[in-house]
Amino acid sequence: AQSVTQLGSHVSVSEGALVLLRCNYSSSVPPYLFWYVQYPNQGLQLLLKYTSAATLVKGINGFEAEFKKSETSFHLTKPSAHMSDAAEYFCAVSQLYGQNFVFGPGTRLSVLP
Amino acid sequence: ETGVTQSPTHLIKTRGQQVTLRCSSQSGHNTVSWYQQALGQGPQFIFQYYREEENGRGNFPPRFSGLQFPNYSSELNVNALELDDSALYLCASSSGQGNEQYFGPGTRLTVT
Repeated sequence: AQSVTQLGSHVSVSEGALVLLRCNYSSSVPPYLFWYVQYPNQGLQLLLKYTSAATLVKGINGFEAEFKKSETSFHLTKPSAHMSDAAEYFCAVSQLYGQNFVFGPGTRLSVLP
Repeated sequence: ETGVTQSPTHLIKTRGQQVTLRCSSQSGHNTVSWYQQALGQGPQFIFQYYREEENGRGNFPPRFSGLQFPNYSSELNVNALELDDSALYLCASSSGQGNEQYFGPGTRLTVT
């Protein structure tokens, strides 16, 4: 069975600092990987997705993630944090693109002025 | 093009009651998935409907059931509500099996 771990339930960074949110997955075959963002009292918005094309994936709002098969990781980064980035971030995996997602527990990002 | 919508936004039910949640999929989408998100956790897959047929189910008991209508809107029904059913219920639609999912804003269910 697939599983997703996100190291750090809460991450705090200063405005302008690097954002790094970690995601590791367990899967018997290379999966499809996604990062979603959730603002308070809202649904999930897709930030970016890996679908076996380029290993470095660029998403919206300046975020990007790199798929590393040897490390079974898909960490999310952004060079410079903005106050509006404060939200909950979820990593998700699927064996079949878009179907039956398995989500990680989430990481809450706080951005300090 | 309207996105995925869900109703109601919030509701409060008593343990043992039944509840129906509704989801209108994005225009052109024929696949709907439902997820349960407990407070402080990631969403958990409940089931998926593709062209009115259930097409996959997560680890949820039979008292969680659903329907998809010819216009591809969907309902999630939960019978014999338990306190642990309190959660945000998310609906996601896609244009077919294996395609990107778009999420609605969710329905917040509180069971007392």
